[in-house]
Amino acid sequence: QKEVEQNSGPLSVPEGAIASLNCTYSDRGSQSFFWYRQYSGKSPELIMSIYSNGDKEDGRFTAQLNKASQYVSLLIRDSQPSDSATYLCAVIDTGTASKLTFGTGTRLQVTL
Amino acid sequence: NAGVTQTPKFQVLKTGQSMTLQCAQDMNHNSMYWYRQDPGMGLRLIYYSASEGTTDKGEVPNGYNVSRLNKREFSLRLESAAPSQTSVYFCASSATVYPDEQYFGPGTRLTVT
Repeated sequence: QKEVEQNSGPLSVPEGAIASLNCTYSDRGSQSFFWYRQYSGKSPELIMSIYSNGDKEDGRFTAQLNKASQYVSLLIRDSQPSDSATYLCAVIDTGTASKLTFGTGTRLQVTL
Repeated sequence: NAGVTQTPKFQVLKTGQSMTLQCAQDMNHNSMYWYRQDPGMGLRLIYYSASEGTTDKGEVPNGYNVSRLNKREFSLRLESAAPSQTSVYFCASSATVYPDEQYFGPGTRLTVT
């Protein structure tokens, strides 16, 4: 069964620090990778997508993809209390063009 | 531009009752999806519709049916609700089948007693 693995956390970082969230996936043929943020009681919100090896930056967020290691990460610079949420990694697998497989999420707590 | 909307927001059913969850999007997206989210299980795909007129099973389709009414609307029906269907249900849509970025509705919190 194709899997997406994340550490459930909580990951606690002080305000202003860099938060590093990690995700591994089992299907070597996966092509598309996404990070969603989900506040408690709310729906997932897309924050980053990445398709090629390397880094992709958007404001305080950087997604990193290493297909050889089957690893995708999200860095949040200058972490704010408003970043406290669960971060979901999602992958589109080979041959399942419409289907996202989600990890169970990492809960991030940004402390004052 | 409301994005993806879902009704109702909350629902309580008794075992064996039926109901339909409604979803609509105003982004002119081709593809629509239904997920359920349970504690510790993550989001799991129930059914999806790659384009108007087509529907396909996802990871957990048993006990559900769907209808892609038109390009905008995609409904999820529980014919005979069971306590195991207590969950939060999310509808999502995307512009293209592949690669796609999916955008989620606000969710329906369903309790089956």
